[in-house]
Amino acid sequence: NAGVTQTPKFQVLKTGQSMTLQCAQDMNHEYMSWYRQDPGMGLRLIHYSVGAGITDQGEVPNGYNVSRSTTEDFPLRLLSAAPSQTSVYFCASSYRSEGSYEQYFGPGTRLTVT
Amino acid sequence: AQSVAQPEDQVNVAEGNPLTVKCTYSVSGNPYLFWYVQYPNRGLQFLLKYITGDNLVKGSYGFEAEFNKSQTSFHLKKPSALVSDSALYFCAVREGRSGNTPLVFGKGTRLSVIA
Repeated sequence: NAGVTQTPKFQVLKTGQSMTLQCAQDMNHEYMSWYRQDPGMGLRLIHYSVGAGITDQGEVPNGYNVSRSTTEDFPLRLLSAAPSQTSVYFCASSYRSEGSYEQYFGPGTRLTVT
Repeated sequence: AQSVAQPEDQVNVAEGNPLTVKCTYSVSGNPYLFWYVQYPNRGLQFLLKYITGDNLVKGSYGFEAEFNKSQTSFHLKKPSALVSDSALYFCAVREGRSGNTPLVFGKGTRLSVIA
């Protein structure tokens, strides 16, 4: 299994540009989520999904959109990039059953918005 | 809403000494508790979890954690620290009511093991 994969690994955007961060998993996990990691802030949840066709907002959803058309993929879209979205983004997945399963994390995408 | 507090930004310990990384939590129901480790420029790796049962749980790389319901704590411990344990450690909690509740992370504690 490849586990959780994320592309790209690095990205530089100009303010106002849009882009999609890709996330895929091959473990047939129902639950997928996106976090951003900023120094001194830990990991903050952006959006999550408990299955195909179902998404919900996390702690910091503004400026981001998600969709879950398949079990495997959970892309994160930045609609109009802002410098405040400079961060490291992690995708994670797990089995859903009662939430007792640990999440598997991708390697991250380092995004810089100038 | 659930929350996690890691009161120490940094923990320094000499190699061979025991280490403790502290975590306290707040949930309205039964907690599912997790510890993750992050090495530089890497994603998070799962260390251990408490779901139910024995309050002392053992995980990867010789780490263990003790669940204390009365103190709402889940401290990470290791009897003898290694330099290679130096990393960023995150505690996380999820309310164990259903699979729909998100996982909430603490801000992380940087562990530095000095040779």
